[in-house]
Amino acid sequence: AQKITQTQPGMFVQEKEAVTLDCTYDTSDPSYGLFWYKQPSSGEMIFLIYQGSYDQQNATEGRYSLNFQKARKSANLVISASQLGDSAMYFCAMREGGSSGSARQLTFGSGTQLTVLP
Amino acid sequence: DAGVIQSPRHEVTEMGQEVTLRCKPISGHNSLFWYRQTMMRGLELLIYFNNNVPIDDSGMPEDRFSAKMPNASFSTLKIQPSEPRDSAVYFCASSFRWTSENNEQFFGPGTRLTVL
Repeated sequence: AQKITQTQPGMFVQEKEAVTLDCTYDTSDPSYGLFWYKQPSSGEMIFLIYQGSYDQQNATEGRYSLNFQKARKSANLVISASQLGDSAMYFCAMREGGSSGSARQLTFGSGTQLTVLP
Repeated sequence: DAGVIQSPRHEVTEMGQEVTLRCKPISGHNSLFWYRQTMMRGLELLIYFNNNVPIDDSGMPEDRFSAKMPNASFSTLKIQPSEPRDSAVYFCASSFRWTSENNEQFFGPGTRLTVL
């Protein structure tokens, strides 16, 4: 089974509008972290936002916010006031468990290609 | 801070040749990850190290792939012999070891490998 599912291969949004990119995850581990990365056409991977499984509030970073619905196992990324520079591939990722002192790898979804229209 | 440094940025080689990709993690980070990205398979973890020790190499495709981390500031990923299906972008990422906090992985710019 897929651990991270991004069901939207491509999304379009008008400049200055808000957009939500979907991400659902599957884990039986009570401790996990969810990440969103942006990959523009230049290819680099840029960290955007993080949500821990025990965090009580949804994470926010500037125009990025994470709509975390734990019971539904979803961690959707919301981008407010879209800009042309937001056009990129967006990846949702999960890190499971992690005892203190042990780094764990990220499992990535297949990504959503966002295009912001002028 | 220079970020994660990878070299070369682009590599074109012929089938059967040895390829060595290099990575310098961010100073102070003690976890290092090698990923491969292709259109068909997306981003896949190949191997990761904690404190220079390989922890999980289950993602390494086959014996043709090997990775080393001789010290905290350098890692290599070697493919010998290379095959056309190895063509991909290879990313190196680093992070702090402890996972109780938000310790995102910082990615390098990637090496675009083309095997003819």
